[in-house]
Amino acid sequence: RKEVEQDPGPFNVPEGATVAFNCTYSNSASQSFFWYRQDCRKEPKLLMSVYSSGNEDGRFTAQLNRASQYISLLIRDSKLSDSATYLCVVNGGYSTLTFGKGTMLLVSP
Amino acid sequence: NAGVTQTPKFRILKIGQSMTLQCTQDMNHNYMYWYRQDPGMGLKLIYYSVGAGITDKGEVPNGYNVSRSTTEDFPLRLELAAPSQTSVYFCASSGAGLAGEIDTQYFGPGTRLTVL
Repeated sequence: RKEVEQDPGPFNVPEGATVAFNCTYSNSASQSFFWYRQDCRKEPKLLMSVYSSGNEDGRFTAQLNRASQYISLLIRDSKLSDSATYLCVVNGGYSTLTFGKGTMLLVSP
Repeated sequence: NAGVTQTPKFRILKIGQSMTLQCTQDMNHNYMYWYRQDPGMGLKLIYYSVGAGITDKGEVPNGYNVSRSTTEDFPLRLELAAPSQTSVYFCASSGAGLAGEIDTQYFGPGTRLTVL
């Protein structure tokens, strides 16, 4: 089983749609979880951390299910500017993070 | 606050040449990292450092070397460049959580390297 697995997509959605991404991780000892966003040919940027109780930041909601070892990201009211690749990130050890290969989102007018 | 800076932004090397990719962070982070990202692929960890004077290999260290003489700087050295090293190289840094574990990583803008 890969350390962090994501559906590569692309997910094609119209503006205003709600879209959800899931990610599974293999290391049951992982304690830190993040969603990053990467625009084409740009560096990854933190979108949000993921907490055990779930957390929301505007149109974005992240959930963590430790028992099933998966993380989700929900985007409501999608904007054209949300088009990007979304990276699921889990701490792979005490000092390193493991990045998934990403899920591509394309939002169309 | 510049965050993580990388130079150069672009470079073309001939096979067998060497170069150093520079990375500097001004956030006083202990943890620093070098990744490479090939087109359409995920990030692969090359080397990392948990503090000045301490470095360790990541997933794909062959063909690269690093040093960490200061908290701020973490240069990546390519010796005898090969076409397989054509990639985008990202440097990142991270602070530590309450228990000293890795926290959010912040990335530099990347260096686009082509080896011909």
